[in-house]
Amino acid sequence: DTAVSQTPKYLVTQMGNDKSIKCEQNLGHDTMYWYKQDSKKFLKIMFSYNNKELIINETVPNRFSPKSPDKAHLNLHINSLELGDSAVYFCASSQDFGGDGYTFGSGTRLTVV
Amino acid sequence: TQLLEQSPQFLSIQEGENLTVYCNSSSVFSSLQWYRQEPGEGPVLLVTVVTGGEVKKLKRLTFQFGDARKDSSLHITAAQPGDTGLYLCAGEGNDYKLSFGAGTTVTVRA
Repeated sequence: DTAVSQTPKYLVTQMGNDKSIKCEQNLGHDTMYWYKQDSKKFLKIMFSYNNKELIINETVPNRFSPKSPDKAHLNLHINSLELGDSAVYFCASSQDFGGDGYTFGSGTRLTVV
Repeated sequence: TQLLEQSPQFLSIQEGENLTVYCNSSSVFSSLQWYRQEPGEGPVLLVTVVTGGEVKKLKRLTFQFGDARKDSSLHITAAQPGDTGLYLCAGEGNDYKLSFGAGTTVTVRA
């Protein structure tokens, strides 16, 4: 039974398209995150939601818009995709603000061509 | 955003040898977490340390948090091929953000 599941696993799309990545957690955690991992494996936080409220919004192009319909879901919508958006995107969750550690999904590899 | 530096970037050793990975910063952290990531998967939490000077052991893995809570180390004793992976340290700042180091790729040869 997957704790943090994100779909799709792979996403190949053309420049200019709009796409969404979905994330769900069944751990009962209060906080969810989106991280971007670049080709050098560096993980950088993009957004964080606590009980459906946005608490962290890093310097991310406004083409990226997170949506949290409830505390178990955090989706990521990306408009007008660019080549530089190609990366692996990870969803994660934690109880409270994460002092006890995060649980990550298995990632979505986005390739923009 | 706190900067975490991990060293070395790559480490290749023979099965049975010991290894140490370092994680350093000029910032103080509320907690320091270590993760291991395998290809095609997300990072998996190994340990969280919160008290300066704290040492935690997980089988053959020993984690230490510096007295000033700015640095940490991961030591693996008698490494096995199953220890191969990308090891990531991450520090939680006062702003609740978890910032990751660039990672250490460990390869244990049989």
